[in-house]
Amino acid sequence: AQSVTQLDSQVPVFEEAPVELRCNYSSSVSVYLFWYVQYPNQGLQLLLKYLSGSTLVKGINGFEAEFNKSQTSFHLRKPSVHISDTAEYFCAVSVGEAGGTSYGKLTFGQGTILTVHP
Amino acid sequence: DADVTQTPRNRITKTGKRIMLECSQTKGHDRMYWYRQDPGLGLRLIYYSFDVKDINKGEISDGYSVSRQAQAKFSLSLESAIPNQTALYFCATSDSRYYPERDTQYFGPGTRLTVL
Repeated sequence: AQSVTQLDSQVPVFEEAPVELRCNYSSSVSVYLFWYVQYPNQGLQLLLKYLSGSTLVKGINGFEAEFNKSQTSFHLRKPSVHISDTAEYFCAVSVGEAGGTSYGKLTFGQGTILTVHP
Repeated sequence: DADVTQTPRNRITKTGKRIMLECSQTKGHDRMYWYRQDPGLGLRLIYYSFDVKDINKGEISDGYSVSRQAQAKFSLSLESAIPNQTALYFCATSDSRYYPERDTQYFGPGTRLTVL
């Protein structure tokens, strides 16, 4: 079974500073990795996803993430954050085993609350 | 109009009451999911449905049941609510036609349920 660990429950930063939100996963089969964002009082929406190919994935709002298979990580980064980036961020994994019981299901990490201060 | 809607958005109920949360989608997706969100635990899957005739338990299905009335509608019921079912509940959809493991899931706005 797959699992996801987000290493920081809360990350406070100042506006225009860089930020990294860390995510590690475990799985015995090939994985697909996602970052979702939840703004206050809203549902989740996709930031970016890694399916295959280039290990550096670019998403919406200037975010990017790098897939590192040897370290089983998928950290999310942004070089300069804005107040509007304040939200909770979730890393998630799905596995690619056709016909398996976990086929197509997402497993989420615990979430990281990013707070951007002026 | 939103693609995935949930009703009600907020509900306060008492222990032992039966509660139904409803989800509707206009995206034409086959797959629908119910999650609950608890602080510090992320989202956990309660039930999922690959089509109208295919319903599956997730990791925390005890105390919950679901009904897929149509492709567009997926309801979650708490037969006898208890306080530890107090949580934020999300419905989501995805298009399963080719590679479901790669699909983006689209979430509703959530239902905040409080069981007293």
